[in-house]
Amino acid sequence: DAGITQSPRHKVTETGTPVTLRCHQTENHRYMYWYRQDPGHGLRLIHYSYGVKDTDKGEVSDGYSVSRSKTEDFLLTLESATSSQTSVYFCAISEGGGELFFGSGTQLSVL
Amino acid sequence: DAKTTQPNSMESNEEEPVHLPCNHSTISGTDYIHWYRQLPSQGPEYVIHGLTSNVNNRMASLAIAEDRKSSTLILHRATLRDAAVYYCILRDVGAGNNRKLIWGLGTSLAVNP
Repeated sequence: DAGITQSPRHKVTETGTPVTLRCHQTENHRYMYWYRQDPGHGLRLIHYSYGVKDTDKGEVSDGYSVSRSKTEDFLLTLESATSSQTSVYFCAISEGGGELFFGSGTQLSVL
Repeated sequence: DAKTTQPNSMESNEEEPVHLPCNHSTISGTDYIHWYRQLPSQGPEYVIHGLTSNVNNRMASLAIAEDRKSSTLILHRATLRDAAVYYCILRDVGAGNNRKLIWGLGTSLAVNP
């Protein structure tokens, strides 16, 4: 299995609080991605990174920011969590346009 | 990027073959056809991909229509562990990364014992 670890696996928080999700890889892949998955929707890209300190927005980036200070770590931050951000969040990695490897996901509940 | 169309759900019996269809009528000549699956409470995992010719690997086979407007993922002998949501996705061969992949809702496969 590809070495991708997401933390935490589960998180319950209150509206208005900041939340940071972490994705850690041991594969040295260049690209890292954050997706959210909601009922009735396919996976939607939030942000992605194409290298250390190089990131760009996906289709649902509003309310989210990311940072990648090291090859192996990609952080997703919700500056002020809202109930609409209750979702399952997946991190993925790839080497170029090759196969995507996904983490096990983080279930986030914003109350 | 081109989208794909898959049935919402399918059902199969254990140890029988399963054919999961995917329509991609607007596929371009430079689009790869990728299949991923997502087991319950897990992230998606890669299954197989192809461009024009049929492909086989240890998990499945991919049959691609001659006009490339449709494809079929074949599980030769379904097991209970194959119960998952299967996604058919197109990726441009020239794309340097996967940021433009369009994930639909996939086909939810149920396998009966």
